[in-house]
Amino acid sequence: DSGVTQTPKHLITATGQRVTLRCSPRSGDLSVYWYQQSLDQGLQFLIQYYNGEERAKGNILERFSAQQFPDLHSELNLSSLELGDSALYFCASSAGLAGGGGEQYFGPGTRLTVT
Amino acid sequence: DQQVKQNSPSLSVQEGRISILNCDYTNSMFDYFLWYKKYPAEGPTFLISISSIKDKNEDGRFTVFLNKSAKHLSLHIVPSQPGDSAVYFCAASATRSGYSTLTFGKGTMLLVSP
Repeated sequence: DSGVTQTPKHLITATGQRVTLRCSPRSGDLSVYWYQQSLDQGLQFLIQYYNGEERAKGNILERFSAQQFPDLHSELNLSSLELGDSALYFCASSAGLAGGGGEQYFGPGTRLTVT
Repeated sequence: DQQVKQNSPSLSVQEGRISILNCDYTNSMFDYFLWYKKYPAEGPTFLISISSIKDKNEDGRFTVFLNKSAKHLSLHIVPSQPGDSAVYFCAASATRSGYSTLTFGKGTMLLVSP
């Protein structure tokens, strides 16, 4: 158990809809990262928040947004969903900007299926 | 443009033998490298890491080797056990840039048979 929790575990929704994925980092971790893993793809970095502030952006679509709240939990909002958004979405956390040497700790993921 | 490449999608090894998983990178700014293991229906788990100031790091049965001139790293598992069967991801970070984001390869599925 990494200490990172994600809800829901599974989500099935229709094209055009909007969903929110939730992540609670390990106790004490200030950085939260979101990743997308599509079929046959590695983990694609989407966005990082550090102590409530956006820190780094990766291949995140404009239809997607995220935020980190004062209690450090984070939400990833996906809107105008398309079939191609079906994927595993992982949240990870680390202690600081550079982690404990770079290690990030991953949650179990949310599997999103868009029909 | 894949900055971290794992060219072998899969690898099969017999129990007790050595497993060698390879990873190549193109970005010379990367200075910290990590290996993660992932079982089905679970998130990736940190396994071992190496800084660019070293060329080898060992942790029990797991050793990571880094060849900076070739921009290549490898993970050796000795001896391999059936419980090591999982997908292994190589990841890299450019820590001197002040960012801690990781760039992942697509993974290598390791199957260790009894």
